[in-house]
Amino acid sequence: RKEVEQDPGPFNVPEGATVAFNCTYSNSASQSFFWYRQDCRKEPKLLMSVYSSGNEDGRFTAQLNRASQYISLLIRDSKLSDSATYLCVVFPSGGSYIPTFGRGTSLIVHP
Amino acid sequence: DVKVTQSSRYLVKRTGEKVFLECVQDMDHENMFWYRQDPGLGLRLIYFSYDVKMKEKGDIPEGYSVSREKKERFSLILESASTNQTSMYLCASSLQANGQYFGPGTRLTVT
Repeated sequence: RKEVEQDPGPFNVPEGATVAFNCTYSNSASQSFFWYRQDCRKEPKLLMSVYSSGNEDGRFTAQLNRASQYISLLIRDSKLSDSATYLCVVFPSGGSYIPTFGRGTSLIVHP
Repeated sequence: DVKVTQSSRYLVKRTGEKVFLECVQDMDHENMFWYRQDPGLGLRLIYFSYDVKMKEKGDIPEGYSVSREKKERFSLILESASTNQTSMYLCASSLQANGQYFGPGTRLTVT
């Protein structure tokens, strides 16, 4: 089983739609979680951290479910500019600073 | 804002050449990383460094070496470039187990 798994998609949604991605992780002791966004032929950029209590940043909401070992990203009112690949990132336990990246979920928002 | 810069955006080299890729970060981060990213394979860790002159192998170190003589600079060296090293190379830095910040990437083609 891969350490961090994501549905590669693509998720094809119209503008204004709400879309959610999940990311599962295998190490139950994992400590830190992040979502990154990567545009085509560009570097990944940190989108948001994921906290146990859930957190929101504008149209984006990230949540962590430790019991089921997954994190989620919800995007409301999708914009054309949200089209990108979304990577989830998990840090293992023990203070390690070596993250494991998922392979990403592709989102295409169309007019 | 954290800034991570890489010496070249695009590079074309011949098989057998020695290639230097340089990365500089301006946020006094202890940790620096080199990844390569290939379609369908996601990000793969080549080497990382948690302090000056310290380095550790990642998942795919074969054919690569690194140098970290100063805290802000982390160099990736391809001792004898081969065509299977054609890829996008991404440098990143981080503070402990916090999110990583990536440079813009170097797209290397080995002919």
